[in-house]
Amino acid sequence: GESVGLHLPTLSVQEGDNSIINCAYSNSASDYFIWYKQESGKGPQFIIDIRSNMDKRQGQRVTVLLNKTVKHLSLQIAATQPGDSAVYFCAEEHTGRRALTFGSGTRLQVQP
Amino acid sequence: DTGVSQDPRHKITKRGQNVTFRCDPISEHNRLYWYRQTLGQGPEFLTYFQNEAQLEKSRLLSDRFSAERPKGSFSTLEIQRTEQGDSAMYLCASSNLEDEQFFGPGTRLTVL
Repeated sequence: GESVGLHLPTLSVQEGDNSIINCAYSNSASDYFIWYKQESGKGPQFIIDIRSNMDKRQGQRVTVLLNKTVKHLSLQIAATQPGDSAVYFCAEEHTGRRALTFGSGTRLQVQP
Repeated sequence: DTGVSQDPRHKITKRGQNVTFRCDPISEHNRLYWYRQTLGQGPEFLTYFQNEAQLEKSRLLSDRFSAERPKGSFSTLEIQRTEQGDSAMYLCASSNLEDEQFFGPGTRLTVL
């Protein structure tokens, strides 16, 4: 079935470096994409979202890029900090639905 | 605290017992969602409400599961005759119409 997936299960970066987390989706009907951060024992925390009529959106230290041609989504974190260590999920929403479909997650480890 | 709250945070039960979880959404959010998350996986959609109406249910929501939102505010999720496969984190989220979903801390269920 159609799904949202991630390229790498674990990403290790040095503190201060930029991080890039990638996500592939296969449902062309998806029109809304969200990145969530989840720390151990906590619920997912909203980071940033993007709609299909955009290809880039920036927040504080984070940027989401959407390439609809190749159905690819990425999250860029600038100047990664130890507090950024967590599991990151991309999620998609199909047109007309409200249920989010999540990928399996990428663990980001920030080395001091 | 104005976030989504869930109760209890942890529940340990024996196989065959019934359990009920509660979710209090962010005040005035008219949409409320239930997800289930197993270790190492992303959340999976179970069901959602708009006000008191249950608008969508996943195939994951077997007949042993029932969710209610009687007054359009808090919601309960009941699992009858629990099975070991029901062990998971049960997450609740809320949103306003087309806005992003905010998640609660979850209820971790362990079925012995």
